[in-house]
Amino acid sequence: DTEVTQTPKHLVMGMTNKKSLKCEQHMGHRAMYWYKQKAKKPPELMFVYSYEKLSINESVPSRFSPECPNSSLLNLHLHALQPEDSALYLCASSQDPPSGTINEKLFFGSGTQLSVL
Amino acid sequence: GQQVMQIPQYQHVQEGEDFTTYCNSSTTLSNIQWYKQRPGGHPVFLIQLVKSGEVKKQKRLTFQFGEAKKNSSLHITATQTTDVGTYFCTNSGGGADGLTFGKGTHLIIQP
Repeated sequence: DTEVTQTPKHLVMGMTNKKSLKCEQHMGHRAMYWYKQKAKKPPELMFVYSYEKLSINESVPSRFSPECPNSSLLNLHLHALQPEDSALYLCASSQDPPSGTINEKLFFGSGTQLSVL
Repeated sequence: GQQVMQIPQYQHVQEGEDFTTYCNSSTTLSNIQWYKQRPGGHPVFLIQLVKSGEVKKQKRLTFQFGEAKKNSSLHITATQTTDVGTYFCTNSGGGADGLTFGKGTHLIIQP
């Protein structure tokens, strides 16, 4: 029931693997986000793309590499992850980017449950 | 970022009882958003409050924004099993601060 689609829903990878998470929205939203969520914890902001350009990077390790090929797509490339990176990775979008005094509401995808072995 | 504090962290209620979660800040908030995340699900936007003293209702849910814009509450009347989940608030002021979630209140309902 979400208009933000994430694939895959589940992913298991080894520490030497390279994988990518994908996110797509067709609502014409101009901002897209990556969040990381551990069990029983709140989502933690990783990256924000505004008008297809990286606008916020919350000091995320370089083993996570975001990419925004166009206004509807957002990828998260993963390389040399650690077991502690296992989490639910949530993509979100908003009509407008965060700026000024008010942020738009976020529309979240169903997430990718990532396990790093 | 400017983080909001939520209490309680966990709340157990009997089905049919009321439930309230609180979101507090030491500084004035621009606006506040509330989200709900069901077990195994993703956060879903519930509401945004902007004005001092604002009160909004959605069926059995009542949202309030404090007069000083430093706190907010979500009250659920006569809880149902469908209310189970985690309720998050976030200061929706512009910029990265507005994208930081509170720690959430986990609502557990016993039938």
